[in-house]
Amino acid sequence: DAGVTQSPTHLIKTRGQHVTLRCSPISGHKSVSWYQQVLGQGPQFIFQYYEKEERGRGNFPDRFSARQFPNYSSELNVNALLLGDSALYLCASSPGGGRRTQYFGPGTRLTVL
Amino acid sequence: AQKVTQAQTEISVVEKEDVTLDCVYETRDTTYYLFWYKQPPSGELVFLIRRNSFDEQNEISGRYSWNFQKSTSSFNFTITASQVVDSAVYFCALSEDSGAGSYQLTFGKGTKLSVIP
Repeated sequence: DAGVTQSPTHLIKTRGQHVTLRCSPISGHKSVSWYQQVLGQGPQFIFQYYEKEERGRGNFPDRFSARQFPNYSSELNVNALLLGDSALYLCASSPGGGRRTQYFGPGTRLTVL
Repeated sequence: AQKVTQAQTEISVVEKEDVTLDCVYETRDTTYYLFWYKQPPSGELVFLIRRNSFDEQNEISGRYSWNFQKSTSSFNFTITASQVVDSAVYFCALSEDSGAGSYQLTFGKGTKLSVIP
């Protein structure tokens, strides 16, 4: 079975622009979470969605938003990009329903110039 | 608030040596879950193991073993007879049972393991 997939792999944007990152979970998984990993640090939790509803939100500004679609795929949107938004954005999926082990995708490397 | 501390920033060992990665956690919950992930240079986080707070049985899986001790809030990871392919950044993570259906993971800062041939 295919693992978690993310697109694009790499992205270069300039300050003030908007970006959309996409994630497809493992087949059968209903929960998707997003994490930001700055170089040299552990991943930081941004959002979790389960059955299209937001189940958790980390300490990130309102410039960050996300949604989950009926097929359980997800998008992460970031508006008004700042240099500090440069990071690896990781998507993880889990089955849900109490089965909470998260499986991660390869990530999207975002560079803001 | 939950917190995970990995005091070892970087470790270097010679191939075939044993190495232990330390993890200490803080939580107010009585039900929680602990994880270890491996992040090779490619960047993808690979799930290694999960432990529930009510299951203190230690586990051995091939060259990997884990030591979970609630009394000291530690969840250490040992690689026996290390190999070059074990070189990666290893993350310890904690998930509390908030009851709201959130599976949020709190990660430590990671330990970079370099296995020298």
